[in-house]
Amino acid sequence: DGGITQSPKYLFRKEGQNVTLSCEQNLNHDAMYWYRQDPGQGLRLIYYSQIVNDFQKGDIAEGYSVSREKKESFPLTVTSAQKNPTAFYLCASSIDLGKWTTNTEAFFGQGTRLTVV
Amino acid sequence: AQSVTQLGSHVSVSEGALVLLRCNYSSSVPPYLFWYVQYPNQGLQLLLKYTSAATLVKGINGFEAEFKKSETSFHLTKPSAHMSDAAEYFCAYSNSGYALNFGKGTSLLVTP
Repeated sequence: DGGITQSPKYLFRKEGQNVTLSCEQNLNHDAMYWYRQDPGQGLRLIYYSQIVNDFQKGDIAEGYSVSREKKESFPLTVTSAQKNPTAFYLCASSIDLGKWTTNTEAFFGQGTRLTVV
Repeated sequence: AQSVTQLGSHVSVSEGALVLLRCNYSSSVPPYLFWYVQYPNQGLQLLLKYTSAATLVKGINGFEAEFKKSETSFHLTKPSAHMSDAAEYFCAYSNSGYALNFGKGTSLLVTP
């Protein structure tokens, strides 16, 4: 089955801790994205990557970090600098950055719900 | 800055009634436009997208949307609502070389 796998589904973080959210895809997509979802806010772009070893900040990158060492993987680290990390995090991928044709789309994982305790 | 605006954070319809979810975009150059659906605690699923091939776009589950440049709109419709349509719906836009940008979402409630 081709798709995007996010893990874990639920994650709890203590104040001051860094946590890493996993995102793996087997769709052979070049572009990968991380979004944060809060109630009533829609999805906001955190980071995106067009190719291995390259990534760009999105609209709300502060307090987050990413890496793209492999084409299949795009982990997101929520650092202690992120003051309000409780949210639903969604990873997505597409064939290429912004290449939207009739036959291409962005595929989303099932999300990770992060809660600060 | 380009954006999409979804009018109405909550929409309620009766089962069998017309579904109309509104989305307006702000751009002098028509972007790529999308509608996604999200069920509780799930990821997003693409319903349909506009890529300039046709102004009336048909999607999955009986949904369709019409791109109207004169009104800068891309409203989502379905002739007859089903209970299973209850979900969160997101309008999104993009341009070539950019990531998707989303509206704030509309929660659709379907009543018996």
